[in-house]
Amino acid sequence: DAKTTQPNSMESNEEEPVHLPCNHSTISGTDYIHWYRQLPSQGPEYVIHGLTSNVNNRMASLAIAEDRKSSTLILHRATLRDAAVYYCILRDESRYSSASKIIFGSGTRLSIRP
Amino acid sequence: EAGVAQSPRYKIIEKRQSVAFWCNPISGHATLYWYQQILGQGPKLLIQFQNNGVVDDSQLPKDRFSAERLKGVDSTLKIQPAKLEDSAVYLCASSLGRHEQYFGPGTRLTVT
Repeated sequence: DAKTTQPNSMESNEEEPVHLPCNHSTISGTDYIHWYRQLPSQGPEYVIHGLTSNVNNRMASLAIAEDRKSSTLILHRATLRDAAVYYCILRDESRYSSASKIIFGSGTRLSIRP
Repeated sequence: EAGVAQSPRYKIIEKRQSVAFWCNPISGHATLYWYQQILGQGPKLLIQFQNNGVVDDSQLPKDRFSAERLKGVDSTLKIQPAKLEDSAVYLCASSLGRHEQYFGPGTRLTVT
């Protein structure tokens, strides 16, 4: 399974946008880019996923580089509740079944300053 | 919609004792996962079920860990006997399709 590289930690100010980078230089054509986050003392929570095109949902936006070797999770207006560990994950969707597994790295610990 | 339920939330046992965790996935979700999360690390997949069949258990320490999924719904994860290095949070997740996984709150196990 392809691996991702993320900064260990980042800080941002409340009500400002946050750009969380992820490098995945060995990504294959069938790998989807997934983002999960884990708030303190909770299980991970799905944020967003994409393949080639940029994606938007109510939580965040995902910007994917044209060569797909990197991506950026964008929180448009950070709140204190966005303080969490953010995981960038590649998931191989080449197989028909749902057997392709998610491999979590260490993620980026995001702190939000009031 | 009710989320993934897990019990107990906390468990403290001595090494060499046995322990079991229970998970009730979201209704209708065919795929169920058990993860182990050691402090400071990301979750590691232990086993994945599709309905009541095992899809992937390559990371499950089968000499001491076992898991089953009764009738393709609830699941139990057992450790017998426990070691100190098994201290971790055990997370259960379920999914309907091939993308979004929904996680439960986890069971924090401390082995003394």
